[in-house]
Parts: sequence; structure tokens; C-alpha cells
Amino acid sequence: QKEVEQDPGPLSVPEGAIVSLNCTYSNSAFQYFMWYRQYSRKGPELLMYTYSSGNKEDGRFTAQVDKSSKYISLFIRDSQPSDSATYLCAMSETTDSWGKLQFGAGTQVVVTP
Amino acid sequence: GAGVSQSPSNKVTEKGKDVELRCDPISGHTALYWYRQSLGQGLEFLIYFQGNSAPDKSGLPSDRFSAERTGGSVSTLTIQRTQQEDSAVYLCASSSPGRGVPYEQYFGPGTRLTVT
Repeated sequence: QKEVEQDPGPLSVPEGAIVSLNCTYSNSAFQYFMWYRQYSRKGPELLMYTYSSGNKEDGRFTAQVDKSSKYISLFIRDSQPSDSATYLCAMSETTDSWGKLQFGAGTQVVVTP
Repeated sequence: GAGVSQSPSNKVTEKGKDVELRCDPISGHTALYWYRQSLGQGLEFLIYFQGNSAPDKSGLPSDRFSAERTGGSVSTLTIQRTQQEDSAVYLCASSSPGRGVPYEQYFGPGTRLTVT
């Protein structure tokens, strides 16, 4: 069993819809949670990070962490065609800000005009 | 400024050959990471270097894989006696611990390795 599970999609939504992405994990030692966005043929780039349980909002993006359920989510409001990409969740046990990250498989999102 | 660069961008090799993949991190970044991305598998951690500390090699899948980082900058990932299952995109990332956004790793565009 993988430590981090993520549905690979693809997830197709019309422009303007809310995109809902999630990951589950099995390692209760994970403390820091991140979402990376990866465009085709590019490296991933950090979108958001959160610590412990709770919500974090940044513009059209909201990240949620529920450590009791070992479940994290990313919501994209008012989705745009430019949001079409693969979204990867990532997690870390370490309290410092480096070290290896455990990634999910990534969910491919397609926003259609 | 310049981002993380990787070379070559594409590599086709025959089974059994050795390959070397290069990564140039962002100048001043002390941490450097290698990941492997296979279709539908997400990013698989391979190895990471932090300053002068011993590297964390816990993700290397076999002794055919090795990596070094010279002068705290450029890194080379070497795969010996390549197998078809080594075909993947190899991504390098760097970060500057203690600066900027925590846990932000800056990724290069990757090297697409195909073993025939």
C-alpha cells in the first residue's frame, strides 16, 4: 500500500466550476502538507502548503487538512482553462523545511472553455 | 534568475548501457533532490543532498543507481546497466532551507529516459 493515495483522474470540468481534489495518507507522522501543480512537460511548482489540520486560502485556491481522517483536499474556485494541469499532493514528516517529500500520483485536471 | 536546469532533456539508451543525468541547481541552494516520475506513479523520491551532510539515499531502488554532488552544486545521477523499467522522467529539484517558503522545492524540467 502506498503511503499517499491520489486518484489520477482525469477530472474534466467546465470553465467556472469548482474543482475538488483530494489525497489520503496512512502515515500519521506527516505534519506538513503541500500541493504542487505540474504543467505538461514541466517540473512541478509549489501551489500551497499547510501545517497540521485546518484550512488555508489563497485567492481561488483553498487547501484543507483533516489529520484525524488522514485526508487533505484542494479546491479551485472559478476554474479557468489555464488551471488545466496535474495536481500533486505532497507530505513531509520533518519539522525542518527540507528533506524528502512523499508525493501522490497526481490528478490530471482539464478545464474546458 | 536562472532556474534548475537538467541535461539532457531526452535520452534514449539500449538496455545494459550506463547513463549519466546532470542537474544544475539554483545558485546558492544547499539542498538538492532527485525524483523519478513514471506514468501514473507520481514522483518517487530517490536521493537528497543537504550541504555537507551525508546524502539520504533511502529512495534509490537498487545498487545500479548512484548520485554525487560535486562542490555542493552540480549533481550527477548515474544508472548502470539500464533496464527497461528504468524508463521514466528523472526530475531534479533544489531548495534553500531556512529561506523563502518552507518545503518549496524548485524543480527542473526533467530528463526523459527511454531504455530500449
